Amino acid sequence: RKEVEQDPGPFNVPEGATVAFNCTYSNSASQSFFWYRQDCRKEPKLLMSVYSSGNEDGRFTAQLNRASQYISLLIRDSKLSDSATYLCVVNKGDYKLSFGAGTTVTVRA
Amino acid sequence: GAVVSQHPSRVICKSGTSVKIECRSLDFQATTMFWYRQFPKQSLMLMATSNEGSKATYEQGVEKDKFLINHASLTLSTLTVTSAHPEDSSFYICSQSPGDSQETQYFGPGTRLLVL
Repeated sequence: RKEVEQDPGPFNVPEGATVAFNCTYSNSASQSFFWYRQDCRKEPKLLMSVYSSGNEDGRFTAQLNRASQYISLLIRDSKLSDSATYLCVVNKGDYKLSFGAGTTVTVRA
Repeated sequence: GAVVSQHPSRVICKSGTSVKIECRSLDFQATTMFWYRQFPKQSLMLMATSNEGSKATYEQGVEKDKFLINHASLTLSTLTVTSAHPEDSSFYICSQSPGDSQETQYFGPGTRLLVL
């Protein structure tokens, strides 16, 4: 079983729509959780950390469910510039990051 | 601005040659550096972790004699792919952690390697 699993998508949504997707992780001892964004042929960039109580950063909302071992990301009022691959990332506690394969989001005009 | 730089950004080489990739920290002294590899449509896979002043720790399945890592200073790490083969063609990305927080990682822009 992969350490981090994501629905690869793609999620094709119109501008202004809301899109949400999850990822699951296998190691219950995981301690830190993140969403990264990766544009085509570029390096990943940190979008936001995910906290136990859930957190919001502008149009982005992240949730963590430790009992079910899943993390979610919701994007409201999608912009064309939100088109990217979103990587779910988990830190197992040894400062090594485990990456999901990514969920591709395409926002169309 | 960029926090971590990588050089070269892309390289094409013949099978059997060695390729060196540099990863430089521009804004901080990095005590810990990580090297990842990403094949198309796959996740980033950690290859190795290095701490300045000590040998790199390689992940299972990564050959240390093939992927030589040198954490030369607090601002420079190099990855050398020795005797490269076509199956080594991939996107290689380094990341660095500033000394005060190993949870925060800054990624370099990556090096795209194509071995013919």
